[in-house]
Amino acid sequence: QVQLVQSGAEVKKPGASVKVSCKASGYTFRSYDISWVRQATGQGLEWMGWINPYTGNAAYAQKFQGRVTLTSNLSLSTVYMELSGLRSDDTAVYYCARGDTENDSWGQGSLVTVSS
Amino acid sequence: ETVMTQSPATLSVSPGERATLSCRASQSVSRNLAWYQQKPGQSPRLIMYGASTRATGIPARFSGSGSGTDFTLTISSLQAEDAAVYYCQQYELGSAFGQGTKVEIK
Repeated sequence: QVQLVQSGAEVKKPGASVKVSCKASGYTFRSYDISWVRQATGQGLEWMGWINPYTGNAAYAQKFQGRVTLTSNLSLSTVYMELSGLRSDDTAVYYCARGDTENDSWGQGSLVTVSS
Repeated sequence: ETVMTQSPATLSVSPGERATLSCRASQSVSRNLAWYQQKPGQSPRLIMYGASTRATGIPARFSGSGSGTDFTLTISSLQAEDAAVYYCQQYELGSAFGQGTKVEIK
């Protein structure tokens, strides 16, 4: 079955960067884009961007342009989301999800806490 | 940027009754609209895409309708396990989610 397994929780200081991984299994990794969505505690879902794991081409939400970078490693079937210039309001659960239209499978989420 | 607006914020419905959730887009998204269900502590779950196609394993009591800017998710006979927050998502231009509708069991 399709599985997306994300890396564990992170605590970072303001101004630092964080890199979250998402390892895919159960399907042909190169055939589906991977999206990233975040959710602050008690808040809604916020789309950040997506990447084609095969070509490495990525698209980002305007809000995150210049601060987020999505990359992929085909040999590891893994996609990475790096967010720089962290602020306290970046504290959230970060999800990867399969697809660049509807997202039919989701990772378990990775909590990133930004605190001095 | 397409803004998605959901209403109501909270919906309280008795078991067996109908629940109707609305989602409006600030510009046309054709039928490029999905709905997700999220329960506390869980990842979102796809329940509808293409505005009206149920995702795999979703019960027939869930139905979707609409096109352009106005969409509806209907749960025909609410069950206790349907208590959750429901989000709509457009994927016509980039992607964007609504702020969610919380469905409570009365």
